[in-house]
Amino acid sequence: GAGVSQTPSNKVTEKGKYVELRCDPISGHTALYWYRQSLGQGPEFLIYFQGTGAADDSGLPNDRFFAVRPEGSVSTLKIQRTERGDSAVYLCASSFPGTAQFFGPGTRLTVL
Amino acid sequence: AQKVTQAQTEISVVEKEDVTLDCVYETRDTTYYLFWYKQPPSGELVFLIRRNSFDEQNEISGRYSWNFQKSTSSFNFTITASQVVDSAVYFCALTPENTGFQKLVFGTGTRLL
Repeated sequence: GAGVSQTPSNKVTEKGKYVELRCDPISGHTALYWYRQSLGQGPEFLIYFQGTGAADDSGLPNDRFFAVRPEGSVSTLKIQRTERGDSAVYLCASSFPGTAQFFGPGTRLTVL
Repeated sequence: AQKVTQAQTEISVVEKEDVTLDCVYETRDTTYYLFWYKQPPSGELVFLIRRNSFDEQNEISGRYSWNFQKSTSSFNFTITASQVVDSAVYFCALTPENTGFQKLVFGTGTRLL
């Protein structure tokens, strides 16, 4: 595809459940990023992959959050034991290293 | 610490008027990049510009122009002759060298009505 795609576009879950959010980057981009955007705020960095490895996961809020990128392309953000405070829009971006990041449409997560 | 401040939460502008969105940043790094992104109601962040900290030349792209002043740590964005399609939230962001230029630090955004 031409741009970054994210699925699902919306996810509603119950407190305590497990969720997976998927990101498909722009073809050829080796760097992939996850951000979280709460209402009325700017996006906040979560994690950055260069290839298959997480180069910087300093933004993950706690150990309930985990992300993988096993083949260096698609990435999955996994959230265990979801809490109401996890409700936000989760944004994925990709780039060639050191260049501008291009964002996907986001996944809106609602934890009831 | 790295920080981006967009003091204007919301700006109302009349069509065809010019408007300037302010951005002030803080970083201890001497090398960094500054960005502007547009977030229309659809929600997808659209990249507008990236500027290296060593390049203080102003830039113009169509109705958009950017004024980078290192002395005041500001990177302001002006839209000339605003149009309805400009309605969006605009974010200023910074990637400092100490993150390998990888981690975007965003401001809280300015909503243009």
